[in-house]
Amino acid sequence: KQEVTQIPAALSVPEGENLVLNCSFTDSAIYNLQWFRQDPGKGLTSLLLIQSSQREQTSGRLNASLDKSSGRSTLYIAASQPGDSATYLCAVRPRGSYIPTFGRGTSLIVHP
Amino acid sequence: SAVISQKPSRDICQRGTSLTIQCQVDSQVTMMFWYRQQPGQSLTLIATANQGSEATYESGFVIDKFPISRPNLTFSTLTVSNMSPEDSSIYLCSVQEGQSNQPQHFGDGTRLSIL
Repeated sequence: KQEVTQIPAALSVPEGENLVLNCSFTDSAIYNLQWFRQDPGKGLTSLLLIQSSQREQTSGRLNASLDKSSGRSTLYIAASQPGDSATYLCAVRPRGSYIPTFGRGTSLIVHP
Repeated sequence: SAVISQKPSRDICQRGTSLTIQCQVDSQVTMMFWYRQQPGQSLTLIATANQGSEATYESGFVIDKFPISRPNLTFSTLTVSNMSPEDSSIYLCSVQEGQSNQPQHFGDGTRLSIL
């Protein structure tokens, strides 16, 4: 059974710092990995999707990498801003299934 | 990407009552899902809503408690029946568009509190 772990569980940083959020998974037979952002009490917003054949994806100040062999993905946030404050969730979709496994998220606070 | 409208956005309900949550998508989608997110927890899949047939429920979730309808490829409802305080959660509708290598998208969720 796939298990997805996100470290750290919570992070508080001053504005302007570059951040790395980690996601690890136990079964490397994945179809893709998706990073989401969730604001308090709200739904999930898709940030980046990495297919199993890809190594990384970039969108603006966000860069996500994937290393299937080691079961790891990182989300890099450059020059963090207070508006980046949210919970970031990683979801791993196994091969042959539409159902992803979600991590518990990293709660990020960026203070001015 | 698909735009998902979920209603209501929040509600406060009495114990023993039922609430139906609606999910409307602006395009036809193959897969629709219903998730629950309990306070401080990650997402748990309740069921996959199948167009024209009964939903496929995950372990621990049953049709009598969470009846689901999906009359067409753009709309689904989830009913939370005979509610108790333990049902207080955020309920989320999600879709998978077209090709299976496309991202999954979520509605804004329904924040449900049971008194």
